[in-house]
Amino acid sequence: AQKVTQAQTEISVVEKEDVTLDCVYETRDTTYYLFWYKQPPSGELVFLIRRNSFDEQNEISGRYSWNFQKSTSSFNFTITASQVVDSAVYFCALSGISGAGSYQLTFGKGTKLSVIP
Amino acid sequence: GAGVSQSPSNKVTEKGKDVELRCDPISGHTALYWYRQSLGQGLEFLIYFQGNSAPDKSGLPSDRFSAERTGGSVSTLTIQRTQQEDSAVYLCASSLDPFTDTQYFGPGTRLTVL
Repeated sequence: AQKVTQAQTEISVVEKEDVTLDCVYETRDTTYYLFWYKQPPSGELVFLIRRNSFDEQNEISGRYSWNFQKSTSSFNFTITASQVVDSAVYFCALSGISGAGSYQLTFGKGTKLSVIP
Repeated sequence: GAGVSQSPSNKVTEKGKDVELRCDPISGHTALYWYRQSLGQGLEFLIYFQGNSAPDKSGLPSDRFSAERTGGSVSTLTIQRTQQEDSAVYLCASSLDPFTDTQYFGPGTRLTVL
């Protein structure tokens, strides 16, 4: 069975601080994908990044960066110089092949980030 | 281009009534997924469609839940004899390819069962 753990339920930071959201996953699949989604107060899940299990290169996109480490089964997300607009719930997710041949996403419980001006 | 759309955005119903929730995936996306988001359970997978067939219904919580997809496009999730525990946000997602592509989500339907 697949599992995604986001141990941080809620984080509050002051604007311009850096913040790291943790994600640890469990899977028996050798090929899988990891994702981060953002859910702002409006409610829609917004895709941020996808990483496959064979690509451990870190990625930076503007103020966002991701650190994927297979050795520790972690896929952490860092926001640099946080802004109020970053306030949202962030979900880490894992996809792999289920027994029924599906590719459903297994989500963590989410981390609610509040950026205080 | 247009994203995933869902209707209605909000639905309030009385316990015991049937409801239908609709999802229009991104054009050309062959894979379609339904998820449910509730406070207690987080985001849960319900059902997966590849084309018009549903190879994985493992997430449907009871036989009161069913879904269909027609023409490889629009999908309808039906909940019969709704119960209060069915209250949640129902999210639909679609992807071009079931494994290698990203799932893009719609805005969801908030269902409230009184």
